[in-house]
Amino acid sequence: DSGVTQTPKHLITATGQRVTLRCSPRSGDLSVYWYQQSLDQGLQFLIQYYNGEERAKGNILERFSAQQFPDLHSELNLSSLELGDSALYFCASSASSAGIGTEAFFGQGTRLTVV
Amino acid sequence: EDQVTQSPEALRLQEGESSSLNCSYTVSGLRGLFWYRQDPGKGPEFLFTLYSAGEEKEKERLKATLTKKESFLHITAPKPEDSATYLCAVQEYTDKLIFGTGTRLQVFP
Repeated sequence: DSGVTQTPKHLITATGQRVTLRCSPRSGDLSVYWYQQSLDQGLQFLIQYYNGEERAKGNILERFSAQQFPDLHSELNLSSLELGDSALYFCASSASSAGIGTEAFFGQGTRLTVV
Repeated sequence: EDQVTQSPEALRLQEGESSSLNCSYTVSGLRGLFWYRQDPGKGPEFLFTLYSAGEEKEKERLKATLTKKESFLHITAPKPEDSATYLCAVQEYTDKLIFGTGTRLQVFP
């Protein structure tokens, strides 16, 4: 158990709908990362937050948005869903965002299926 | 543009047959290189962190090494339970944590 909790584990929704994925980081971790992993694809970096502020942005679509709350949990909002958005969405957390690199620990993911 | 390339894409080994996986990278200001193991449908599991050229880390049958442009994950006498996808990731100065596409390892008894 990595200590990172993602909910829900599975989500099935229709095209055009909006969903919210939730992530609780490990206790004390200030950084949260979001990744998308499509079938047989690598982990695509979406966005990173550090202590409530957006820190780095990857190839995140305009239909997607995220935020990190004062209690450090994070939410990823996906709207106007398309079939191609079906994927595993992972959240990861790490202790620090300064100085040397710090390993990130991953949750078990949310499997999103858009029908 | 920052890049992380892993090779081979897939590797089939007989139990006990040692081999190496490669991760080459081009990033601006490397802050750390990480190796993960991922089982199907699961989140990546952290294995090692490497910071500077010449550094080595070991854990059971796995050893990770780092040079200025690449990292190797050496697997000694693998067992079927080592079968998984092995992912390399680099963290650069902007904090982005960029993953390669992984090497899918299958170890047969």
